[in-house]
Amino acid sequence: DGGITQSPKYLFRKEGQNVTLSCEQNLNHDAMYWYRQDPGQGLRLIYYSQIVNDFQKGDIAEGYSVSREKKESFPLTVTSAQKNPTAFYLCASSILAGATDTQYFGPGTRLTVL
Amino acid sequence: AQKVTQAQTEISVVEKEDVTLDCVYETRDTTYYLFWYKQPPSGELVFLIRRNSFDEQNEISGRYSWNFQKSTSSFNFTITASQVVDSAVYFCALSERTTDSWGKLQFGAGTQVVVTP
Repeated sequence: DGGITQSPKYLFRKEGQNVTLSCEQNLNHDAMYWYRQDPGQGLRLIYYSQIVNDFQKGDIAEGYSVSREKKESFPLTVTSAQKNPTAFYLCASSILAGATDTQYFGPGTRLTVL
Repeated sequence: AQKVTQAQTEISVVEKEDVTLDCVYETRDTTYYLFWYKQPPSGELVFLIRRNSFDEQNEISGRYSWNFQKSTSSFNFTITASQVVDSAVYFCALSERTTDSWGKLQFGAGTQVVVTP
């Protein structure tokens, strides 16, 4: 089955630690995205990547980093510089990065800072 | 500035009632796309519909229907004969084709729908 997988489903972090969230897709999509969702709010874009080895900052990139070494994978690192990292993180992908392309989402990772 | 407004925070209905979710958007583009997503308690966003700005025909898919009106910048979503499984948060989103927007999704705050038996 084609789809997007994210792991882990739940993640706990101590303050001052970096953590990496995994996102893998087997849809052969070129574009991938990371969003953050806070309670009662819509999604906000963190980073996006249109092709391998290229990525751009979204609206709230500070304190986060990404890499895109393979088409299928787009891991997100939440660094200790992110002041309020507790949130629900959603990864998405689309055939291309453009207004016409529908983004499909993974199941999400819930990150809690202890 | 908020590009997508979903004024209803939560709507509670009894099963079999109809429920309409409002979505008002703001854009200067002539070409844009509107989306609705469903987020059940599991958390994953499920794509429901995509509509481009040149297609104002209403659409029906089973118990779901959408009313797109450019004159009022609205893209409302109706669930007919609601069921408990419809309980979820529903998001409206806008994608513009301007150079600096490249097509990123801009989400509304979402509307929580609660359907009770």
